[in-house]
Amino acid sequence: AQSVTQLDSHVSVSEGTPVLLRCNYSSSYSPSLFWYVQHPNKGLQLLLKYTSAATLVKGINGFEAEFKKSETSFHLTKPSAHMSDAAEYFCVVSPPTDSWGKLQFGAGTQVVVTP
Amino acid sequence: EAEVAQSPRYKITEKSQAVAFWCDPISGHATLYWYRQILGQGPELLVQFQDESVVDDSQLPKDRFSAERLKGVDSTLKIQPAELGDSAMYLCASSEGQGATGELFFGEGSRLTVL
Repeated sequence: AQSVTQLDSHVSVSEGTPVLLRCNYSSSYSPSLFWYVQHPNKGLQLLLKYTSAATLVKGINGFEAEFKKSETSFHLTKPSAHMSDAAEYFCVVSPPTDSWGKLQFGAGTQVVVTP
Repeated sequence: EAEVAQSPRYKITEKSQAVAFWCDPISGHATLYWYRQILGQGPELLVQFQDESVVDDSQLPKDRFSAERLKGVDSTLKIQPAELGDSAMYLCASSEGQGATGELFFGEGSRLTVL
């Protein structure tokens, strides 16, 4: 069984300041982990993914995430927020590669960026 | 850039009516997914196809929902009769291989409002 918990439903940051979105996962095997972003009235877009290679993963638009097995976490960060980062972000856990299984989405974190 | 196409973008209907959503995945993508996203929640998988075969429909309310992908390309999701609780965003996604191996490409979604 697998699950994912996003610890903040809403995060507000000022433009130019760091962004931290927290995600904890639970999995009975080595998972693959993803972060997706959803802008208003748009589909979801992959930001980055972890699939058992490097624990620090770099994604698009300056985002990165670090897989910490000991803490069962996969937090998303960006050093300097931009107005265009305002969106909803989803942490996703999946079963091992080459297997059938559902992706489990977190409930999402809404990010607001203020000028 | 190839995209997942969905229609209609918006649908308003009265309860007990029938509704249908259409999805055209990225060319060559064998796996197609229908997700339901209730406001304020993460997407939930309704049905997953591998070519024309259903791989997982365990969360599909089969008394009122049906999905097909007859030729293994585009797909239709139908609800009959619609209920108030069906109001949500219906997202279609596709991927090259099995879902756990990597990126899902999402369409912009079909937002359903049931009155």
